[in-house]
Amino acid sequence: NAGVTQTPKFRVLKTGQSMTLLCAQDMNHEYMYWYRQDPGMGLRLIHYSVGEGTTAKGEVPDGYNVSRLKKQNFLLGLESAAPSQTSVYFCASSYYAGTGSSPLHFGNGTRLTVT
Amino acid sequence: AQSVTQLGSHVSVSEGALVLLRCNYSSSVPPYLFWYVQYPNQGLQLLLKYTSAATLVKGINGFEAEFKKSETSFHLTKPSAHMSDAAEYFCAVSDTGGKLIFGQGTELSVKP
Repeated sequence: NAGVTQTPKFRVLKTGQSMTLLCAQDMNHEYMYWYRQDPGMGLRLIHYSVGEGTTAKGEVPDGYNVSRLKKQNFLLGLESAAPSQTSVYFCASSYYAGTGSSPLHFGNGTRLTVT
Repeated sequence: AQSVTQLGSHVSVSEGALVLLRCNYSSSVPPYLFWYVQYPNQGLQLLLKYTSAATLVKGINGFEAEFKKSETSFHLTKPSAHMSDAAEYFCAVSDTGGKLIFGQGTELSVKP
């Protein structure tokens, strides 16, 4: 059972380039999330989805777009990368977050460097 | 709005010593609280969660946390540290929409 899988694991971009981070989960979870992790700042929510075909903004959505065309996949796009987007990106999923008690299952992260 | 503050970005203990990682939260509603652990180059793993069933919550690897409403705290403890406990630990609170809000993280070092 793979859980949450993120690709790629590492990527280096030049300023202005675009890319898509892929997240796939095989647990039939409804909710999916993209976080970024920066030293001393914990994890900050970028975008999330409460089901197939839905997306919503989190705490730091600027410069990112997302899509959830299939229940098991959640894509994070950077249209024009900036050095401030250098970070480690984590995808997570949960069964149901309506009551707030469902724990998140995390992927192993994508380390992105923008030069 | 919900928020979490972790006191101390870095904690160092000797092997066999008590581990105490501090977390204070702010919430306008009864909170759901979580502790996650992150080992190097890995994602976060759930250690334990508080969902109001009991104030003392036991998690994996010998960790436990006590919910204290009067102190708005949810500190993580382990009686005896092991070298394998070295990692970064995150406290999190669930907001009214069910999303997790994380603290800044505390890096735990264990000295032999």
